[in-house]
Amino acid sequence: LAKTTQPISMDSYEGQEVNITCSHNNIATNDYITWYQQFPSQGPRFIIQGYKTKVTNEVASLFIPADRKSSTLSLPRVSLSDTAVYYCLVGDRYTNAGKSTFGDGTTLTVKP
Amino acid sequence: EAGVAQSPRYKIIEKRQSVAFWCNPISGHATLYWYQQILGQGPKLLIQFQNNGVVDDSQLPKDRFSAERLKGVDSTLKIQPAKLEDSAVYLCASSQWDSDTGELFFGEGSRLTVL
Repeated sequence: LAKTTQPISMDSYEGQEVNITCSHNNIATNDYITWYQQFPSQGPRFIIQGYKTKVTNEVASLFIPADRKSSTLSLPRVSLSDTAVYYCLVGDRYTNAGKSTFGDGTTLTVKP
Repeated sequence: EAGVAQSPRYKIIEKRQSVAFWCNPISGHATLYWYQQILGQGPKLLIQFQNNGVVDDSQLPKDRFSAERLKGVDSTLKIQPAKLEDSAVYLCASSQWDSDTGELFFGEGSRLTVL
């Protein structure tokens, strides 16, 4: 299974764009990259998933370079409510293997 | 659509006692997961079910933890006897077996404190 590496913590201010990078050097051909968000006292929640290039939804964007050895979750104009832990997961789309493996995530703190 | 239901939300027990957690997944979700989340760490997969069969229980401490998913719907996770290091939040998640994304839907968790 591909191992992921993320920064332990990040700070930002309201209204700024936040980019959280995840390294996954051993990503396999069938692997997809998925990001989850977790608030205190809640279970993680799916944010976005991608395979290559760029994916955008109403919450975030995901940038994946051609070699797919890293990915960047971009949160536009963050607010205090975006303070949470963000997890990057890598796993096989077809077998689901690895998609359930969480690391320790990145704690994002948004300040006023 | 109702989400993943878990109970109890909180439980405090003495070490060597037993405890059971219950999970009801989203209707129609064939895959069910139990995770252990220790404070400050990410969720760690304990066991994964596909319908009522076990797909992966490689990280389940089988000497004290057990889980079942009779009839392929709700599930119970049991710890007996509990140790101090079992203090954690136990999260249940479910997903559709044929989902394009494999998105996991989590419950709010059951917080266990072992004294």
